[in-house]
Amino acid sequence: ETVLTQSPGTLSLYPGERATLSCRASQSVKSKYLAWYQQKFGQPPRLLIYGTSSRAADIPDRFSGSGSGTDFTLTISRLEPEDFAVYYCQQYAGSGQYGASPPYTFGQGTKLEIK
Amino acid sequence: EVRLVESGGNLVQPGGSLRLSCAASGFTFSNYWMTWVRQTPGKGLEWVANINLNGDDQYYADSVKGRFTISRDNYMKSLFLQMNNLRSEDTAVYYCARGDRAGVTLGYFDNWGQGAQVTVS
Repeated sequence: ETVLTQSPGTLSLYPGERATLSCRASQSVKSKYLAWYQQKFGQPPRLLIYGTSSRAADIPDRFSGSGSGTDFTLTISRLEPEDFAVYYCQQYAGSGQYGASPPYTFGQGTKLEIK
Repeated sequence: EVRLVESGGNLVQPGGSLRLSCAASGFTFSNYWMTWVRQTPGKGLEWVANINLNGDDQYYADSVKGRFTISRDNYMKSLFLQMNNLRSEDTAVYYCARGDRAGVTLGYFDNWGQGAQVTVS
């Protein structure tokens, strides 16, 4: 199983600041199979970034993703009030007869809170 | 607009059964793999099961294998999760999510339902 460890657990910043969230994998993840989600209270996760660095539909360009191998980063260039939420990374390691078990795993989340 | 709406969540006793449904609209349902993901405050997000386009191939997390069954009805554009022999650790919000497109391995979930609460107690 590929374990994803996110840091920090909680990040306290002011609106307008830059946020850098980390996701570290216990084994190498293919760049095309690393995604990031945003979740607000009482809502389902929302896809932000897929393939390490591609923004999902309607995601503003202040969100960007980078990384490779076992280290990945989500950056929010200038925080807006609506960006304060919990962020999860997720990886896919293949399924089927020769795939991983489980094929998909999530990090434990980083809570981004207003300072 | 893609829409996924779960139903069937409830309070059930340990050892009991429950069937979740997910009604899909706004896209060609039969062109996508579909997935159940659950979320608990303690364990976070956990992939539960997924199913291929025509429903003849399914994969399960070890924690639910042999107890849960995922299925789909492409005519009715619906996804199901039959949960048997439920345990307290199955208590979670269960999300229906859209996965890989026909012939394309995406590796992520681009649309999620609002979730159904399952409480085993």
